[in-house]
Parts: sequence; structure tokens; C-alpha cells
Amino acid sequence: DIVMTQSPDSLAVSLGERATVNCKSSQNVFYSSGSKSCLAWYQQKPGQPPKLLFYWATSRYSGVPDRFSGSGSGTDFTLTISSLQAEDVAVYYCQQYSTTPPTFGQGTKVEI
Amino acid sequence: EVQLVESGGGLVQPGGSLRLSCEASGFTFSIYWMSWVRQAPGKGLECVACINPGGSEEYYVDSVKGRFTISRDNAKNALFLQMNSLRAEESAVYYCARGHWQFEEWGQGTLVTVSS
Repeated sequence: DIVMTQSPDSLAVSLGERATVNCKSSQNVFYSSGSKSCLAWYQQKPGQPPKLLFYWATSRYSGVPDRFSGSGSGTDFTLTISSLQAEDVAVYYCQQYSTTPPTFGQGTKVEI
Repeated sequence: EVQLVESGGGLVQPGGSLRLSCEASGFTFSIYWMSWVRQAPGKGLECVACINPGGSEEYYVDSVKGRFTISRDNAKNALFLQMNSLRAEESAVYYCARGHWQFEEWGQGTLVTVSS
């Protein structure tokens, strides 16, 4: 199975500042039929299910604010929140779907 | 509005069985892959099983192969997970999710507690 490793495990960011979450896969998660990476990002707030933020590493899912951005390819990926808002406090997970089973990172807790 | 509503969780003894259900609405259920993803208390996410739109292809994480069975009833917009020989470490919230690559929509989850 592909192992996904996120860093840091947690970070504290001031309101309005930038937050950056990193994700590294143990194998390349490139999609063989196109120039895309099989990488998704999720946000999970306490007591709630995860919500999809990005797929194909950089494609923003419906309703996701544009202060969130996804980048990277191959084995290294980044989720950036350009200006942290109070409602962004959550745990963020990356997930690869290049191989079955899909696997998740351990999560990064973003706090104020 | 897409809705996924899980049910069937509860307390079960080690070695016991449970059948989880997920009722889907607000989208054309029969054209989507569906999955079960679990989350142990305070832990991360693990995709347990997924099934193709027609129900003819199933995939399982190695740790549940031979014990869990995923199925669906497209006429009733329902997804199921039969869990046998449950272990204490499988106590978790079990989520029904749409998709098998990225998981686009999630239910609120149903709690399974395996304990004597």
C-alpha cells in the first residue's frame, strides 16, 4: 500500500496568516492516462465527517473558498490556506487514489 | 441535496457481527461507486471497502478480507456492510461515502463499538 505522510502533525497560525500543510507519498501517484496526480485533500471539523476540498491535487471541489489552494505532483503535495479564518480550524487529510486501497495521511491539525 | 444516512451501528462483542446500512438520496445512486470509510476514536481515516455501480466489483482492505462484505441495492438506493468476526480494534465511526477514488460526499457516520 502507498503510505501518505503529512507534516507537520499540527500547526498554529494567526488569523489572516498563511497556513501550509505538506503531504508526501511513498510512491508516485501520477495518473497513467493523463497529466494528473491522484491526490485529494479533506477538511474535518470536530464531530463532523470529512469534506472534500481538492481532487487531482489542484481541482477545487464545489463550494470550497478560493483562499484554499492545492499544489504539487508526483510524490510531494501542499495544501495552502492563504488567509486563515476562524472557521478553518480543523484537521486536514491528504489521500491518494492511484492504487487500491486508497490511503490517507495521518492528518494535520490546524489551530489558531 | 445529497444525503447519505448510515444506520446499524452499536455495541457488539468481539467475534460478533453487525450489518450497517446507508440510505442515499439526492443523486443517481446507481451510477456511482460507493465506499465505507472508518475512523477509530481520535484516529485517522481508513477505506474499508468499495463497490462499483452495478455491484459486480468489490474491493477490501486486507485486514477485513473474508470477514466483511459490501453490497448494494440500487432499486432502494441503499449500501450495506456486513461485518463478521469483529475485533476490538475495529471500533470506529463507519462512514458511507460516494466515490472510490476521491470521496465526494459523506454521511454523518454510525458508531461501532466492539467490546465485551
